[in-house]
Amino acid sequence: DIQMIQSPSSLSASVGDRVTITCQASQDISNSVDWYQQKPGKAPNLLIYDASNLATGVPSRFSGGGSGTDFSFTITTLQPEDIATYYCQQNGNLPFTFGGGTKVEIK
Amino acid sequence: EVQLVQSGAEVKKPGKSLKISCKGSGYIFTNFWINWLRQRPGEGLEWMGIIYPGDSDTTYNPSFQGQVTISVDKSIGTAYLQWSSLKASDTAIYFCARTGPGGYGMDVWGQGTTVTVSS
Repeated sequence: DIQMIQSPSSLSASVGDRVTITCQASQDISNSVDWYQQKPGKAPNLLIYDASNLATGVPSRFSGGGSGTDFSFTITTLQPEDIATYYCQQNGNLPFTFGGGTKVEIK
Repeated sequence: EVQLVQSGAEVKKPGKSLKISCKGSGYIFTNFWINWLRQRPGEGLEWMGIIYPGDSDTTYNPSFQGQVTISVDKSIGTAYLQWSSLKASDTAIYFCARTGPGGYGMDVWGQGTTVTVSS
């Protein structure tokens, strides 16, 4: 299985800050990474697909990048409603696997 | 509106069987893969397997192979996840999610079904 090492596991930032999360895959997966946001008690929500494409209806302050084994996810200007746990997921090889998640809190 | 609606919460004893459901609406159900995922209390997401409702083609995560069965009834637009003998370690929230057009991410999710296995 492909391992997705996500960091940090948690972070605290101020409203308006730039926040970056990284994911490293255990082998080359081209651009086959998606990013999800999960708020407490809710189902996850797709934010980014194929490493850098914004899903429908997702605000432009969210972005993603990378290819091969190294990927990043950025919130350019953190908003109070962005409090959530964020997950990367690779869909290049079966079984699909997730990173461990990053819990984002407001400082 | 495109949506997946899952069956309600379940409380079961160890060793019992269970089948939970995920009903799609607002789109052509047979044209999109359905994934099943597990989230244990306080933990992250695990991908369990995937089924194509059009022909019931199914692939399991080896970690779940033999532990669960994924199926579909395309006549009623519903996918299923079932257990023949539950364990306490099956206690979790289970989500179904559609793989979006072109395979671009899991774009529609069910609300989740909480399964509690306790004696």
